[in-house]
Amino acid sequence: DIQLIQSPSSLSASVGDRVTLTCRASQNIDTYLNWYQQLPGKAPKLLIYAVSFLQSGVPSRFSGSGSGTDFTLTISSLQPEDFATYYCQQNYTTSPWTFGQGTKLEI
Amino acid sequence: QVQLQESGPGLVKPSETLSLSCSVSNASLAGSSYYWAWIRQPPGKGLEWIGSVYYSGSTYYNPSLKSRVTISVDTSKNEFSLKVRSATAADTAVYYCARVGSERALLSRPIFFFDFWGQGTLVTVSS
Repeated sequence: DIQLIQSPSSLSASVGDRVTLTCRASQNIDTYLNWYQQLPGKAPKLLIYAVSFLQSGVPSRFSGSGSGTDFTLTISSLQPEDFATYYCQQNYTTSPWTFGQGTKLEI
Repeated sequence: QVQLQESGPGLVKPSETLSLSCSVSNASLAGSSYYWAWIRQPPGKGLEWIGSVYYSGSTYYNPSLKSRVTISVDTSKNEFSLKVRSATAADTAVYYCARVGSERALLSRPIFFFDFWGQGTLVTVSS
């Protein structure tokens, strides 16, 4: 299985901060990497697919970059509604699709 | 907008079969070009893809669960289902159903992602 390691596991930040979350794959996954946001008690929400393409309706303060094994999700100016847990997910191989363990972004 | 809703028992006894259904609204499973998926999340932990099904019945499963899991589709009811046999406490989780979206023009192979999710349902395995 392809392992995805997210860092940090948790991060404290303030409204208006610029933050960068990292996802590292155990092998080359090209750009088959997606990001999700999960608010407490809610289902995950797709933010970004194929490393850098924003899902419809996602604010432009979210951006993604990377390829191969190292990827980042950047939030340019944190808003109160952005405090959540973020997961990366790969589908380079079908068997199986895997998620990172998550980064919890706290105030 | 596509809507998904999970349903099924919230409590299952150990060794029994966990069974859930996902009803889909504002989209037809019959003849659709999408896969549909089950994903679970143990309390306080991360996400695990269980498997995906196409409207034709074609399936992909997580190898770690493949021996115990069946995902099927019922186009007449516009829903798909999950069965996990021989349930244990380790199967206690919030179970989500989701649509598998895809983008085929960007890369050498399609990239897939979970673009619409149900709200999730907690299933506890306990006697």
